[in-house]
Amino acid sequence: KQEVTQIPAALSVPEGENLVLNCSFTDSAIYNLQWFRQDPGKGLTSLLLIQSSQREQTSGRLNASLDKSSGRSTLYIAASQPGDSATYLCAVEGSQGNLIFGKGTKLSVKP
Amino acid sequence: DADVTQTPRNRITKTGKRIMLECSQTKGHDRMYWYRQDPGLGLRLIYYSFDVKDINKGEISDGYSVSRQAQAKFSLSLESAIPNQTALYFCATSDPSQGKETQYFGPGTRLLVL
Repeated sequence: KQEVTQIPAALSVPEGENLVLNCSFTDSAIYNLQWFRQDPGKGLTSLLLIQSSQREQTSGRLNASLDKSSGRSTLYIAASQPGDSATYLCAVEGSQGNLIFGKGTKLSVKP
Repeated sequence: DADVTQTPRNRITKTGKRIMLECSQTKGHDRMYWYRQDPGLGLRLIYYSFDVKDINKGEISDGYSVSRQAQAKFSLSLESAIPNQTALYFCATSDPSQGKETQYFGPGTRLLVL
């Protein structure tokens, strides 16, 4: 059974700092991996999707990497801003097309 | 206008009541999903549907049922609500024909069962 783990559970950083969020998964046979952002009381917004054949994806200040063989992904956020404060969720696509989520990392960026 | 909408956004009900959560999408996607989110447990899949004639149980389907009335509509029912079904419920859609199976989420329905 696929399990997704995110470390740390919570992170607080000063504005401007570069940071890395970690995601690990137990079964390397994945179709893709997605990173989402969730604001309090809101739905999920897809940030980046990495296909199983890809190593990384970039969007603005965000860069996500994928190492299938080791079961790891990282989300790198450059020059963090208070508006980046949210919970970041990692999810892998299972064999049935559904997503299996980690519990998230709650990020707080302080001005 | 939002591509994936959920109604109601908030609902308080009593134990034993039957309730329905509705999801509509304008993205034209065949695949739709229902998840629930609980503090400390993350999101878990309840049911999913790959097209109007296809319904599948997810990880935690007990106590729930679904109906795919049309491509655009996917409803989740709690036949007899119980307090441990208190959670935030999300509907999502995806379209694998686009080559990238990004899932698009609705805003969520916050359910409280007393």
